[in-house]
Amino acid sequence: DVKVTQSSRYLVKRTGEKVFLECVQDMDHENMFWYRQDPGLGLRLIYFSYDVKMKEKGDIPEGYSVSREKKERFSLILESASTNQTSMYLCASSLFTLRYNEQFFGPGTRLTVL
Amino acid sequence: QKEVEQDPGPLSVPEGAIVSLNCTYSNSAFQYFMWYRQYSRKGPELLMYTYSSGNKEDGRFTAQVDKSSKYISLFIRDSQPSDSATYLCAMTWVGAAGNKLTFGGGTRVLVKP
Repeated sequence: DVKVTQSSRYLVKRTGEKVFLECVQDMDHENMFWYRQDPGLGLRLIYFSYDVKMKEKGDIPEGYSVSREKKERFSLILESASTNQTSMYLCASSLFTLRYNEQFFGPGTRLTVL
Repeated sequence: QKEVEQDPGPLSVPEGAIVSLNCTYSNSAFQYFMWYRQYSRKGPELLMYTYSSGNKEDGRFTAQVDKSSKYISLFIRDSQPSDSATYLCAMTWVGAAGNKLTFGGGTRVLVKP
């Protein structure tokens, strides 16, 4: 059974703090993704990675950075948290193929920035 | 304009009714079309996917793709209260970097007993 775990279910931080969100997958997937989910806006891709130390910007990378030092782990970093980064953050992973393959999601981290 | 449009709902139906969900898209490069289901406080899970145009059936679920109209649908027959969730459509194409998906905004469905 594919498992994607995220370090926290709920997180409360203050404006200006540096925030780390961690994601770990146990199925040797090449691709990993970070999304944020907001009411009415759906899932928006922040960053993704298709290999260790490789990263690509998604649709809304501003204010975020990522790190992938090991294949199974993908971290999202908010350098200086702001209130407009209050959201649900979802991590996902998938195998690399030349056709469609399923993305497996973690349970999400609900981040509140005060 | 968003690449993938989806009515946010909520869509409320009585148990046993047919639920009809749809998405429209603008990018003609999309080739794979998916429906994900997301229960409250959980991550999305894949429900069905189709390649190119046509229909696909899986139990009570039917997915339809009309590439000429850039329109996809999901039908749920004999709906159950356990079908209450948010349904997200998603799309991609062969060779998309990282096999990344483009999601619709999701439709919240409530099936009342």
